[in-house]
Amino acid sequence: RKEVEQDPGPFNVPEGATVAFNCTYSNSASQSFFWYRQDCRKEPKLLMSVYSSGNEDGRFTAQLNRASQYISLLIRDSKLSDSATYLCVVSPGDNFNKFYFGSGTKLNVKP
Amino acid sequence: DADVTQTPRNRITKTGKRIMLECSQTKGHDRMYWYRQDPGLGLQLIYYSFDVKDINKGEISDGYSVSRQAQAKFSLSLESAIPNQTALYFCATSGQGTDNEQFFGPGTRLTVL
Repeated sequence: RKEVEQDPGPFNVPEGATVAFNCTYSNSASQSFFWYRQDCRKEPKLLMSVYSSGNEDGRFTAQLNRASQYISLLIRDSKLSDSATYLCVVSPGDNFNKFYFGSGTKLNVKP
Repeated sequence: DADVTQTPRNRITKTGKRIMLECSQTKGHDRMYWYRQDPGLGLQLIYYSFDVKDINKGEISDGYSVSRQAQAKFSLSLESAIPNQTALYFCATSGQGTDNEQFFGPGTRLTVL
């Protein structure tokens, strides 16, 4: 079983739409959770960390469900510039700083 | 200037050649990582280092070796390159603690013919 699993998509949505991605993780002891964005052939860049209480950054909302071991990313009012691959990342945290990456969910926002 | 740099950015080589990919960082982080990414797949960890004296194998270390020359430098070597090592390679750094996001270099696109 993979440490982190994501629906690869692609999600094809019109501008202005709301879209949500989920990601499941297998290690119940995981401590740190992140969403990264990766543009084609570029390096991944942190979009947002995911906190237990959920967090919001502009049009982006991330939530963590420890009981069901998944995290989610909600994008409201999608822009063309949101088109990218979104990577879910999970880490045991503390001193054991390994990071487990999902294979990514591709989002295409259409005019 | 970029916080994490990688050289070369692109490399084409032949089967059996020795290749070294270099990574430097100005983040002051102790922790450094090498990943490879294949089309449609997630990042796979090759090696990681928590400080200059600490080197650890990742999920796919066979065929690779690393050297941590200093806190700021972490190089990846392919002793005898083979075609299935054709991939995009990323170096990354991170701090400690729970707010420990990773910062990535721009990547090295390696093609082994």
